[in-house]
Amino acid sequence: DQQVKQNSPSLSVQEGRISILNCDYTNSMFDYFLWYKKYPAEGPTFLISISSIKDKNEDGRFTVFLNKSAKHLSLHIVPSQPGDSAVYFCAASASTSYDKVIFGPGTSLSVIP
Amino acid sequence: GAGVSQSPSNKVTEKGKDVELRCDPISGHTALYWYRQRLGQGLEFLIYFQGNSAPDKSGLPSDRFSAERTGESVSTLTIQRTQQEDSAVYLCASSLDWGHKTYEQYFGPGTRLTVT
Repeated sequence: DQQVKQNSPSLSVQEGRISILNCDYTNSMFDYFLWYKKYPAEGPTFLISISSIKDKNEDGRFTVFLNKSAKHLSLHIVPSQPGDSAVYFCAASASTSYDKVIFGPGTSLSVIP
Repeated sequence: GAGVSQSPSNKVTEKGKDVELRCDPISGHTALYWYRQRLGQGLEFLIYFQGNSAPDKSGLPSDRFSAERTGESVSTLTIQRTQQEDSAVYLCASSLDWGHKTYEQYFGPGTRLTVT
């Protein structure tokens, strides 16, 4: 039973346009969410996070939106650059077990020059 | 400063043999995690350590898998009697653990295990 879902295995976007990566979760206890980016042959690296007390967090070209009622979050990358091509993992945790972070299956983003 | 390191980077072993995978976390990081990523799949949680203790071993796939951590530092993941389905990239991560909060995890480059 997948608690964190990323229903799009892959996404292609033109350079300069917006990339929107979606993530859904089923566990209502989750209250902290993170996005990680992974290049081939490397470990994932932390990108951005959001607490459930917020509905938006922005860091440069990256913005994460959280819709708690829909149990949905999304990562927006504007403008997309070829170097953004990677696999993006959505992850979630609950304050009751904050050390256990559940990762989604990932979405492979290709930014076409 | 040094990041998370893992060794070996690649390991090819015959079915039925035991393997040991090593992780050296970032100095001072009290939390340490092991994940597995099979080909074409996401990150599968295996186990995590707070200090040298493992409060949650629920992700270990079978009793052939075990892990330990010593000195709140290096961790070893051991797979006994390896099977072909154990073939995957095994990722280790560490994070600060100073309170009731999820801290970002820093990942190592992984160990690619191939069981023939």
